[in-house]
Amino acid sequence: QKEVEQDPGPLSVPEGAIVSLNCTYSNSAFQYFMWYRQYSRKGPELLMYTYSSGNKEDGRFTAQVDKSSKYISLFIRDSQPSDSATYLCAMSQGGGSEKLVFGKGTKLTVNP
Amino acid sequence: DTGVSQDPRHKITKRGQNVTFRCDPISEHNRLYWYRQTLGQGPEFLTYFQNEAQLEKSRLLSDRFSAERPKGSFSTLEIQRTEQGDSAMYLCASSPTGAKLFFGSGTQLSVL
Repeated sequence: QKEVEQDPGPLSVPEGAIVSLNCTYSNSAFQYFMWYRQYSRKGPELLMYTYSSGNKEDGRFTAQVDKSSKYISLFIRDSQPSDSATYLCAMSQGGGSEKLVFGKGTKLTVNP
Repeated sequence: DTGVSQDPRHKITKRGQNVTFRCDPISEHNRLYWYRQTLGQGPEFLTYFQNEAQLEKSRLLSDRFSAERPKGSFSTLEIQRTEQGDSAMYLCASSPTGAKLFFGSGTQLSVL
């Protein structure tokens, strides 16, 4: 079983739709949870960063962490064609380890 | 632009040759990371430096791989005796605190 599982999609939605992306994980020691966006031929770019359980909102993006279920989500409201990219979840234990464990990424296309 | 810079962007080499990649982090970021990403997968952690000290290494970093950060600024990643399985995107990231990583655009390695 991989430490982090993410449905690779692809996911195709019309412009303006609400997008839901999610990951599950098996390592209960993970404390820090992130979502990265990666455009083709580019490095990942951090979108959201959350410590422990709870919700965090930033503009059209909302990140949710449920540590009891080992499940994290990213919601994108009013999706735009410019949101078309691969979305990667990532997590780390902290406590001296700087290693991020990434999911495979979900490829999202937002159609005008 | 003062982002993370990686050189070269693309490298094609023959099996058995040695290759070296360079990463220039964002200035004053004391943390530097190397990750490897293959097609359809998320980045995989290779190693981490704090200043010039290499503090964490993945078991993925076989004895053919070596990374240095001699003066706590730029870093190099060398792969000796390349194999076809080494073909991947090699990503460098830097961070001032470890909480937020800034990635470069990567070096795409193709081993023929």
